[in-house]
Amino acid sequence: NAGVTQTPKFRILKIGQSMTLQCTQDMNHNYMYWYRQDPGMGLKLIYYSVGAGITDKGEVPNGYNVSRSTTEDFPLRLELAAPSQTSVYFCASSGTTVAFYGYTFGSGTRLTVV
Amino acid sequence: AQKITQTQPGMFVQEKEAVTLDCTYDTSDQSYGLFWYKQPSSGEMIFLIYQGSYDEQNATEGRYSLNFQKARKSANLVISASQLGDSAMYFCAMREGRGSGNTGKLIFGQGTTLQVKP
Repeated sequence: NAGVTQTPKFRILKIGQSMTLQCTQDMNHNYMYWYRQDPGMGLKLIYYSVGAGITDKGEVPNGYNVSRSTTEDFPLRLELAAPSQTSVYFCASSGTTVAFYGYTFGSGTRLTVV
Repeated sequence: AQKITQTQPGMFVQEKEAVTLDCTYDTSDQSYGLFWYKQPSSGEMIFLIYQGSYDEQNATEGRYSLNFQKARKSANLVISASQLGDSAMYFCAMREGRGSGNTGKLIFGQGTTLQVKP
């Protein structure tokens, strides 16, 4: 089915480890986003991309990095994991600027740092 | 600074009754969009309804309607004839701007947990 695919769905990391959260969309969307959702809270923007080769910081970028080498893929890299990065991570994509009527969200990655 | 505020952490409603979830926003932009998303306990984010700042009519989608009061900067979600499956967390979100310079970033409120009682 068309949509946004995130892997893995769950992960436990030890403090100081690194990992990459994968995000792929097959809708040819230019715009892609990474959000984090802490327990009982709303979503906060980590990084976003308006097209291949273009990325920019959101509200909470510290401790993360992204790349956008293709339209389809937007991986999120966590370096030196910390307990404060325990959260649910959502990747999302959106179509053209004219039709910004909502994101297509991935199913999320639940990350625990211990 | 742009901001979305949802002041109701939790709400209860009796099945088959209507419920209103509050959302206020703050922006200096003239062009913006307002969204409501539903997040059930399974965790996925489900788009419910959208209202553009220049739209003259309140948006409706089935049992969902958005009570848009521009002067008050409020965008409340009204769910009519509540069902048990409506029990979830609901987020209000805002997108600013339109056109080629738009990044499509959404700002989310803190959410309201709705519980529908049988």
